Amino acid sequence: NAGVTQTPKFRVLKTGQSMTLLCAQDMNHEYMYWYRQDPGMGLRLIHYSVGEGTTAKGEVPDGYNVSRLKKQNFLLGLESAAPSQTSVYFCASSDIQGVGEQYFGPGTRLTVT
Amino acid sequence: AQRVTQPEKLLSVFKGAPVELKCNYSYSGSPELFWYVQYSRQRLQLLLRHISRESIKGFTADLNKGETSFHLKKPFAQEEDSAMYYCALIRTGRRALTFGSGTRLQVQP
Repeated sequence: NAGVTQTPKFRVLKTGQSMTLLCAQDMNHEYMYWYRQDPGMGLRLIHYSVGEGTTAKGEVPDGYNVSRLKKQNFLLGLESAAPSQTSVYFCASSDIQGVGEQYFGPGTRLTVT
Repeated sequence: AQRVTQPEKLLSVFKGAPVELKCNYSYSGSPELFWYVQYSRQRLQLLLRHISRESIKGFTADLNKGETSFHLKKPFAQEEDSAMYYCALIRTGRRALTFGSGTRLQVQP
C-alpha cells in the first residue's frame, strides 16, 4: 500500500518548456488535489478533482492544467513553464467523508530557469 | 473568502518549555479546523482536527469561535516536535482545504 506517489521527484525546466507531473493513489479516494508550496506562503491549492473525469480550479490555477482520466491518477500539466512556477508541488487525496483528512505525496521539486 | 493566518514564521523554544502555535481564521460560518505537520524529510500529515477534541503527541487545540482562533498547544516541548506546522480550514459544504502560511517550530536541547 504505497498511499500517494508522485513522479518525478525533481525536475529542472527551461522557460517555455512543458511537463506533466503524475500523482497516483491506491486508497480508492474520490478527491484529489494539487498544491504548490512556496516559502512564506504555505500551501496553495492549484486544482482539484472530486471524481474521475471532473476537475475544478483552486486558488492559483493560472498556467496549469489538470486531468483525471482514471480515479487513481491526477495529472498536473505546465504548458509553458515560467520561473514563477519554481516551487514544490504536492499531490493529496481524500475520501468523500473526510475532506479535511488529506493524504499527501512526497512532493516534486520543480525549478524553472 | 476564508483566510487562515499564522502570524509567526518561526517559533524557537527550549526543550521542556510550553509551546503555543497561533492560528487565526476569518470565516463567517462554522468551519472545520485542522493542524497538519511536516517533519523533516517526511510527508505532510494530519496532526489533529477540532471536531475530535483529541490530544495527539501531547498537542491540543481548542476552537475559539469568539476570537476566531485555533491555537496549537503543548505543555512541554520535545526535540522531536521540531517541524513545520500548518493550520487549515474547510468551509461548510466545500471540498478543499485552505492552509495558513505555516510556522516552523524549533525545539532546542
